[in-house]
Amino acid sequence: NAGVTQTPKFRILKIGQSMTLQCAQDMNHNYMYWYRQDPGMGLKLIYYSVGAGITDKGEVPNGYNVSRSTTEDFPLRLELAAPSQTSVYFCASTETGRIAGEQFFGPGTRLTVL
Amino acid sequence: KQEVTQIPAALSVPEGENLVLNCSFTDSAIYNLQWFRQDPGKGLTSLLLIQSSQREQTSGRLNASLDKSSGRSTLYIAASQPGDSATYLCASTGANSKLTFGKGITLSVRP
Repeated sequence: NAGVTQTPKFRILKIGQSMTLQCAQDMNHNYMYWYRQDPGMGLKLIYYSVGAGITDKGEVPNGYNVSRSTTEDFPLRLELAAPSQTSVYFCASTETGRIAGEQFFGPGTRLTVL
Repeated sequence: KQEVTQIPAALSVPEGENLVLNCSFTDSAIYNLQWFRQDPGKGLTSLLLIQSSQREQTSGRLNASLDKSSGRSTLYIAASQPGDSATYLCASTGANSKLTFGKGITLSVRP
């Protein structure tokens, strides 16, 4: 199993550009999450999904959109990049059927908006 | 709204010391409490997960405890080594397995 994979690893965007951060997992997990981590801070939840076709906002959803068309993939879309979105983005998933299972994290995407 | 606090933000100890990292949370209605390790520029590695019905979990030199009534968890590291240097994050798990993270404690173990 590859676990949780994220692409790209690094990206530099100009203000106003758009991009999609990709996340995929091969563990058949229903629950998937997007977090962002700013320097010296913990992770904050952006969006999450409890299954294909179901998404919901987390703590800091403004400026982002998500979709979940398959169990495996959970892309995060930035429509109009702003410097405040400079951060490290982590995708995570957890085991199907467990209310509070262990979360598995991807390696992260480092995004800089200039 | 759940708030998770980790104090101090940074800690430096000599090699061989036993140490305790603290984590506090405001809402005791949690499903579990997780401890993660993060190396610089890297992702998160799960260390220990304590279910709400448990008091502690152990893995090697690591022991984590949970006291829901007081809103506290501790991570105990025995005989610290330079390789333990990293940032340690705790996170509480709420509805839909959503995690609320503390800001982390950056640990430096001096040879």
